[in-house]
Amino acid sequence: NAGVTQTPKFRVLKTGQSMTLLCAQDMNHEYMYWYRQDPGMGLRLIHYSVGEGTTAKGEVPDGYNVSRLKKQNFLLGLESAAPSQTSVYFCASSSLTGGPLRGQYFGPGTRLTVT
Amino acid sequence: EDQVTQSPEALRLQEGESSSLNCSYTVSGLRGLFWYRQDPGKGPEFLFTLYSAGEEKEKERLKATLTKKESFLHITAPKPEDSATYLCAVLPLGKMEYGNKLVFGAGTILRVKS
Repeated sequence: NAGVTQTPKFRVLKTGQSMTLLCAQDMNHEYMYWYRQDPGMGLRLIHYSVGEGTTAKGEVPDGYNVSRLKKQNFLLGLESAAPSQTSVYFCASSSLTGGPLRGQYFGPGTRLTVT
Repeated sequence: EDQVTQSPEALRLQEGESSSLNCSYTVSGLRGLFWYRQDPGKGPEFLFTLYSAGEEKEKERLKATLTKKESFLHITAPKPEDSATYLCAVLPLGKMEYGNKLVFGAGTILRVKS
């Protein structure tokens, strides 16, 4: 049981390049989330999904797109990277049947640098 | 607007020196309050959920308490391995149908020296 996994672990992009971050969970969770974490600002929600085929905007969605074609996968895309998107990105998942009150399970993170 | 504030930003303790971390929150209604531990270079790890004022949860040297406006994470006789960033988050009422979105504080960085 791997929990939540993220690929890649590190990436350096040049301004204007695109990339996709992949998140996978093997806990059969309904809800999945993408966060970014910046020093002194805590975790901020980018996009989230309440089920396969559905996505919604979070607190800071601009410049990002997401897709959830399969229940276990949640993809985060950057179409044209900007230096302001330099951050550490975390994926998380949580269970519907277990209720939200067991918390969210986080992946190990992806450190992205945009030059 | 739902808001979570953690203090202090950083805390240095000697091994065995007990202390508390604070998480104050402003929400229209509280469905749950969460504490997470985050080690450098890793994702947050779930510690506790607190549901109502007066509730307490314990795990090894950690004890979390909740009032109507704040939560405390008490660390008793800490060891160097307790060094980490501790995050607090709230789940406001009415947010469950919108994917159980949490509101996080910025965290407290704890360093315990031997």
